[in-house]
Amino acid sequence: GNSVTQMEGPVTLSEEAFLTINCTYTATGYPSLFWYVQYPGEGLQLLLKATKADDKGSNKGFEATYRKETTSFHLEKGSVQVSDSAVYFCALSDNSNSGYALNFGKGTSLLVTP
Amino acid sequence: KAGVTQTPRYLIKTRGQQVTLSCSPISGHRSVSWYQQTPGQGLQFLFEYFSETQRNKGNFPGRFSGRQFSNSRSEMNVSTLELGDSALYLCASSLGRGLSEKLFFGSGTQLSVL
Repeated sequence: GNSVTQMEGPVTLSEEAFLTINCTYTATGYPSLFWYVQYPGEGLQLLLKATKADDKGSNKGFEATYRKETTSFHLEKGSVQVSDSAVYFCALSDNSNSGYALNFGKGTSLLVTP
Repeated sequence: KAGVTQTPRYLIKTRGQQVTLSCSPISGHRSVSWYQQTPGQGLQFLFEYFSETQRNKGNFPGRFSGRQFSNSRSEMNVSTLELGDSALYLCASSLGRGLSEKLFFGSGTQLSVL
């Protein structure tokens, strides 16, 4: 079945450092791929998405490219801020059934220190 | 526009009891889905409702059930609670038009089973 694997955290970076969070997926068909972020005490928010191969999703300085050849959707940011500290979830849409379902990775906790 | 509202925010129950959680979606959204979040298993899809019909269901036992009302509000019920049901239960809403659609999440109901 469809699944998502993302790097385990926690990841600790200094402010202005470069961020990469790896995400790979297994899927039949052509799923859409997402990154959601969960700030402390809040629900998940969509950070960015890509709906087909070679699409690049971007938002708030974060980017991820849908790579079908490597089945990856790595999240990157050139210069992180303290306010980026959160848990990041990679997800794919499950098109194996009717209706809407997301398969999430386990999440990667990011802590950015001043 | 009000966001997704989940009530109650916290619940404490004992084994064997049952519990009902409530979710009010964003106005105009017809799809409501439920996820269970635990430290060990991460985010797992429970079920999704669209226009009062269950369209998709995850791999959870029959003790977990849900419904959606004509105003799109949704409830989920867990009967015969077990210790392992302790989790953050997240509700998400969307227009329900496609698999690449953005989900809007509530802040969740934290259930503790003693």
